[in-house]
Amino acid sequence: DSGVTQTPKHLITATGQRVTLRCSPRSGDLSVYWYQQSLDQGLQFLIQYYNGEERAKGNILERFSAQQFPDLHSELNLSSLELGDSALYFCASSTGLAGASTDTQYFGPGTRLTVL
Amino acid sequence: TQLLEQSPQFLSIQEGENLTVYCNSSSVFSSLQWYRQEPGEGPVLLVTVVTGGEVKKLKRLTFQFGDARKDSSLHITAAQPGDTGLYLCAGQGWDSNYQLIWGAGTKLIIKP
Repeated sequence: DSGVTQTPKHLITATGQRVTLRCSPRSGDLSVYWYQQSLDQGLQFLIQYYNGEERAKGNILERFSAQQFPDLHSELNLSSLELGDSALYFCASSTGLAGASTDTQYFGPGTRLTVL
Repeated sequence: TQLLEQSPQFLSIQEGENLTVYCNSSSVFSSLQWYRQEPGEGPVLLVTVVTGGEVKKLKRLTFQFGDARKDSSLHITAAQPGDTGLYLCAGQGWDSNYQLIWGAGTKLIIKP
């Protein structure tokens, strides 16, 4: 158990719909990362938040957005869903300390999104 | 743009054989991490290597960081079915965010 929780574990929805994925980081971690992993693919970095502020953006579509709340949990919002958005979405957390060259990311169990 | 290339992309071998997975880049990294991911689960950190030339051992797994900190290898001795999974390397850059650059992964299957 990494200490990172994600809900829901599975989500099935239709094209054009909007969904929200939720992540609670490990206790004490200030940084949250979102990743997308399609079938048999590596991880695609989407976005990172640190202590409520956006810190880095990766290959995140304009239809997707995220935020980190004062209690440090994060939500990833996916809208106008397409079939190709079906994937595993992982959240990871780390201390996010600047200058830490070995900032370990701890991953949650993921949310499997299926768009029909 | 920093890139990490992993090879091979896929490897299927018999139990008891040895194997090596490579992670290469033209960029220098401050550190490099290896993760293992099992189906339906999130990646789990195996090791972090920091110093050029560093070698770390984790039971039957040996990790090496290249002298120039541009590449790394993972060697598994006497592979077992429990080693099956997706192995991912991730390099940490030098920018202020210390973003991880991820390789595409090596899918390893160990047949009993």
